[in-house]
Amino acid sequence: EAGVTQSPTHLIKTRGQQATLRCSPISGHTSVYWYQQALGLGLQFLLWYDEGEERNRGNFPPRFSGRQFPNYSSELNVNALELEDSALYLCASSLGRGTDTQYFGPGTRLTVL
Amino acid sequence: GQSLEQPSEVTAVEGAIVQINCTYQTSGFYGLSWYQQHDGGAPTFLSYNALDGLEETGRFSSFLSRSDSYGYLLLQELQMKDSASYFCAVGTGANNLFFGTGTRLTVIP
Repeated sequence: EAGVTQSPTHLIKTRGQQATLRCSPISGHTSVYWYQQALGLGLQFLLWYDEGEERNRGNFPPRFSGRQFPNYSSELNVNALELEDSALYLCASSLGRGTDTQYFGPGTRLTVL
Repeated sequence: GQSLEQPSEVTAVEGAIVQINCTYQTSGFYGLSWYQQHDGGAPTFLSYNALDGLEETGRFSSFLSRSDSYGYLLLQELQMKDSASYFCAVGTGANNLFFGTGTRLTVIP
């Protein structure tokens, strides 16, 4: 069974640009979660999507947004990039009951110059 | 507010036993999870406790005391490959996991 996949692996952008990160959940999982992990820090919850709807949002500005497609894959968009947005962005999926175990993808390393 | 506290770093000798503690204060509680993350890798699920007591999975065990808002991860027969960061995470009523800042475990020969 394929795990959670994310693309791209690495992304380099300049300040002010927009970044789009993609995630495909494990087959059968309807929930997708996005986390930000700055270097040496813990995981900060960004967004939770389930059945195509945004269910919960972490303490991040509106320029962090996303969506979930009918096939349950998801996209994270970061607008007006700032230097401090440089981080590893992790996507996780679960069966969708909210408190189920989350399975993480390998992440996208975003570097903002 | 919500908070999770765990030690930032722990060092232990190969073959020994190490305990990583986690105390939490959250607005809702559905269970305590533990994740392992090697440098450059993704977090991987280790264990989950919804009820008080000890859960054992091979060399790893996890304990929860809901009355004390406390849990720990116990790693036995430490191996060099166990060197990683370990995160405790609380499932809250908001249907997401609230992660601690992680404990970096270094296993030395």
